[in-house]
Amino acid sequence: AQTVTQSQPEMSVQEAETVTLSCTYDTSESDYYLFWYKQPPSRQMILVIRQEAYKQQNATENRFSVNFQKAAKSFSLKISDSQLGDAAMYFCAYSMGSSGDKLTFGTGTRLAVRP
Amino acid sequence: SAVISQKPSRDICQRGTSLTIQCQVDSQVTMMFWYRQQPGQSLTLIATANQGSEATYESGFVIDKFPISRPNLTFSTLTVSNMSPEDSSIYLCSVLLTRLAGVRLQETQYFGPGTRLLVL
Repeated sequence: AQTVTQSQPEMSVQEAETVTLSCTYDTSESDYYLFWYKQPPSRQMILVIRQEAYKQQNATENRFSVNFQKAAKSFSLKISDSQLGDAAMYFCAYSMGSSGDKLTFGTGTRLAVRP
Repeated sequence: SAVISQKPSRDICQRGTSLTIQCQVDSQVTMMFWYRQQPGQSLTLIATANQGSEATYESGFVIDKFPISRPNLTFSTLTVSNMSPEDSSIYLCSVLLTRLAGVRLQETQYFGPGTRLLVL
């Protein structure tokens, strides 16, 4: 079974600084998707960024980027120029490449942003 | 993405009663999912709801406790039956959207705002 591990229950970053959230996963599949979702206090799950395993290039979305290391099964999220609105729970998630497969979530990292 | 709404946004219920949560999406989607997020925990999939077929439940979840309806391509309901305080959670629906990215289909789940349930 696939598992997703987030080893940092809490992280803190100074506003305008950069922070990296860690995620590792375990799978025997070669084709799969990885995601980072953000859940602010409003509890809405918001997609931050996605990565297809077949792509060697790391995904980027504005201030958010990932470091995808397929051999190491590592998928970290880097947030640059942190803003107060980035404070939230961040969940790493995995999905197999087959159509409609469920998401398997990590336990989450709570990010605090200090003004 | 898609606009997804859930009703109610929150509720406080007495044990032994049932609550039906509605999920509405602004476009037609084949696959919808229902997740539970217990206090301070991550999300756990309850079931997958495809229009026109019975819902598929994950291990530990049964239809008698969490009956699901999927009458059309834009709507689904989840009922939490015979509630106990252990059912106090956030319940989230999600939809699977597919788009063509080059020569491959790209699938992404988008979530509703969630329903916060407290059972006394």
